[in-house]
Amino acid sequence: NAGVMQNPRHLVRRRGQEARLRCSPMKGHSHVYWYRQLPEEGLKFMVYLQKENIIDESGMPKERFSAEFPKEGPSILRIQQVVRGDSAAYFCASSPLPGTGSYEQYFGPGTRLTVT
Amino acid sequence: GDSVTQMEGPVTLSEEAFLTINCTYTATGYPSLFWYVQYPGEGLQLLLKATKADDKGSNKGFEATYRKETTSFHLEKGSVQVSDSAVYFCALSGNTGNQFYFGTGTSLTVIP
Repeated sequence: NAGVMQNPRHLVRRRGQEARLRCSPMKGHSHVYWYRQLPEEGLKFMVYLQKENIIDESGMPKERFSAEFPKEGPSILRIQQVVRGDSAAYFCASSPLPGTGSYEQYFGPGTRLTVT
Repeated sequence: GDSVTQMEGPVTLSEEAFLTINCTYTATGYPSLFWYVQYPGEGLQLLLKATKADDKGSNKGFEATYRKETTSFHLEKGSVQVSDSAVYFCALSGNTGNQFYFGTGTSLTVIP
């Protein structure tokens, strides 16, 4: 059973370009979470999605960031007009049920975004 | 709101030394508590978990006990190995929300 897949693993963008990060959850999981890890910091929650629905986006910056999880295909985290401060590792996690209580989240290997 | 406070690093130990990484939390209700480990260049892997007070999670020689009275979930290992070198994150999952709250991570280096 494949784990959570993320691609690309490394992404380099110039300031002003768009970054698209993809996440395929574990088989049988329909809940996806995105986290951002800035250098020397812990993970910060960004958004929680189910298929075709955004459930909680309280951690998403108000501008330039968006996320989707369509009925078919991977979840996408999109960052428009990237700036240097967006350089970070972006992790996706999935769970079979909402990540409350004892249901752990399973993490992908992350996408390391570098903005030059 | 919910939060996790984790011991600052980095921590450097000799092989076979005893390890303690402190973690305390603030949460409403009855959260579940987790330790995740991150090896260089990789994602987070679940190390152990505890879902209620006085539970002890254990895996690969690591242990942590859910202490509600002190709101703590300290990670311990009796004899560390070089292969344990990694960053360790304490996390909680509240019973009212969907997100995990992570500590800032503690970098551990074990030297031969």
